[in-house]
Amino acid sequence: AQSVSQHNHHVILSEAASLELGCNYSYGGTVNLFWYVQYPGQHLQLLLKYFSGDPLVKGIKGFEAEFIKSKFSFNLRKPSVQWSDTAEYFCAGGSSNTGKLIFGQGTTLQVKP
Amino acid sequence: GAVVSQHPSRVICKSGTSVKIECRSLDFQATTMFWYRQFPKQSLMLMATSNEGSKATYEQGVEKDKFLINHASLTLSTLTVTSAHPEDSSFYICSARGQPEANYGYTFGSGTRLTVV
Repeated sequence: AQSVSQHNHHVILSEAASLELGCNYSYGGTVNLFWYVQYPGQHLQLLLKYFSGDPLVKGIKGFEAEFIKSKFSFNLRKPSVQWSDTAEYFCAGGSSNTGKLIFGQGTTLQVKP
Repeated sequence: GAVVSQHPSRVICKSGTSVKIECRSLDFQATTMFWYRQFPKQSLMLMATSNEGSKATYEQGVEKDKFLINHASLTLSTLTVTSAHPEDSSFYICSARGQPEANYGYTFGSGTRLTVV
């Protein structure tokens, strides 16, 4: 069955620390992967997406993610976080077979100034 | 870029009444639209998938008679919450998928906050 799993539910970092949020997927067929951010009280914003090509994807706000097919992973990274990165982060996967986009459980990131 | 407009952004309704939420793709044709529900502090749960001109496919546990979905055109899908109850209060979000997918795949609306009193 199609599924997306985020291992870190709540992450607390100090400003300037490096960030890596885990995401693993389980799919059959071609998969498209996404990371979204949701700031408090706001709607979803797309950070980055992977469809094909270079497995290292660069997104907005200094975020990047690497698609590692052998590990079924698409981890999100940022070398130095800021207080303004405090938000909820969602990994999502879309199956070319079903067309459905399924979300992981989400990770709450809290950055302390 | 791809834009999806969702209305209303907020609605308060009385228990027992019905509420319609619209989702429009403004600059592309959405062959498929998805409806999600998000409870506070939780992730987005897929409720149903709709393809233009055909019946929606509902996820397990979602009542199709309660959450009526219509996808009458390639740019418009509606979700009607029928006989709403307080437990239906939630944040509802639509997503539209067009082609090519790299440009028009999974564009989200800004969501509708439904409060049933």
